[in-house]
Amino acid sequence: AQSVAQPEDQVNVAEGNPLTVKCTYSVSGNPYLFWYVQYPNRGLQFLLKYITGDNLVKGSYGFEAEFNKSQTSFHLKKPSALVSDSALYFCAVRDINGDNYGQNFVFGPGTRLSVLP
Amino acid sequence: DAGVTQSPTHLIKTRGQQVTLRCSPKSGHDTVSWYQQALGQGPQFIFQYYEEEERQRGNFPDRFSGHQFPNYSSELNVNALLLGDSALYLCASSHGTGIIEAFFGQGTRLTVV
Repeated sequence: AQSVAQPEDQVNVAEGNPLTVKCTYSVSGNPYLFWYVQYPNRGLQFLLKYITGDNLVKGSYGFEAEFNKSQTSFHLKKPSALVSDSALYFCAVRDINGDNYGQNFVFGPGTRLSVLP
Repeated sequence: DAGVTQSPTHLIKTRGQQVTLRCSPKSGHDTVSWYQQALGQGPQFIFQYYEEEERQRGNFPDRFSGHQFPNYSSELNVNALLLGDSALYLCASSHGTGIIEAFFGQGTRLTVV
């Protein structure tokens, strides 16, 4: 079975500093990895995904993620954090389950990012 | 272009009752999935509909059922509500198949008392 771990419940960073939100995964086949962000009282917003190709994936709002197969990690990064980046971040892996019909994701528990002014 | 819309936004039900939640997918999308997000946890997959059929199902009891209509909108029904069913219910939509991202609605907050 696929699974995702986010080892940090909370990450605090000063505005303007680089940020990293960690994610590790366990899959039985090829890893298809995603990052989503959730603002208060809102649904999830897609940030970026890794399917194949370059290990560094660029996404929305200046975020990027680094895929590391040997460490089974997919850490989310941003060079310079903004106060408006404060939110709940979810790493997810797509559960293939034998077909290509859809988008059933297995989500991690989430990491709350606080960017301090 | 309206994104994924869900109704109602909030709902309070009594234990043992039944509830129906509704979802309209993003324009052009034909696949709808439902997730349950308990407080402080990540979303958990309930089931997915494509071409009006349930295609995949997560580890949820039969009390959870759904439907997809010809216009691709969807309903989630939960019978015999338990206190533990209190959660944010998220609907997600996408178009076609393959390794694609999903677009999520703002969710329905269900409280069972």
